[in-house]
Amino acid sequence: DQQVKQNSPSLSVQEGRISILNCDYTNSMFDYFLWYKKYPAEGPTFLISISSIKDKNEDGRFTVFLNKSAKHLSLHIVPSQPGDSAVYFCAASALTFGNEKLTFGTGTRLTIIP
Amino acid sequence: GAGVSQTPSNKVTEKGKYVELRCDPISGHTALYWYRQSLGQGPEFLIYFQGTGAADDSGLPNDRFFAVRPEGSVSTLKIQRTERGDSAVYLCASSFGDRGYDYGYTFGSGTRLTVV
Repeated sequence: DQQVKQNSPSLSVQEGRISILNCDYTNSMFDYFLWYKKYPAEGPTFLISISSIKDKNEDGRFTVFLNKSAKHLSLHIVPSQPGDSAVYFCAASALTFGNEKLTFGTGTRLTIIP
Repeated sequence: GAGVSQTPSNKVTEKGKYVELRCDPISGHTALYWYRQSLGQGPEFLIYFQGTGAADDSGLPNDRFFAVRPEGSVSTLKIQRTERGDSAVYLCASSFGDRGYDYGYTFGSGTRLTVV
């Protein structure tokens, strides 16, 4: 069963606009969430994370929002730039329970249109 | 080195053969992870080392898969009697350990394994 779901396989956004990528999870033990960005032929690169004790974390153009009751998180990129075109993965872990492994979603391919 | 290094970058092998995939983590990183990414999927956890010991190997799909990290640095993922379903990109990552989540852990570029 897919415990972390990214239901949009792809997303196209105009340069300068806001990109919003969504992620849903089913396992209530997940308490730490991360977003990774992946370019072709490279490994995933860490972008931003959020602990379940927070509902928002911001780092420059990237903001992650967590809605625990809905088991939903989103990544906002503003303004979007051509270099943001990549596949974005949402990942989750049950860190409090000593579980180091990450469970990833299937990814969303973001294309920024110049 | 500056990043996580994985060799080879590509490996083509015949069904039934044995393969070894190598990972050189970032110097000083005590935690090392192996993931596997199949086409159209996200990375899937295989095994996690803290130092020399496997702290969690619950993701290894069956006993054909084995990984070692004898000196707490380089790790080797070993696959016996390869099957076509083993074809995937095998990713290695490393971190400083229990605080690695503050920064996420650093992935290598992966080894693309193709079993023909």
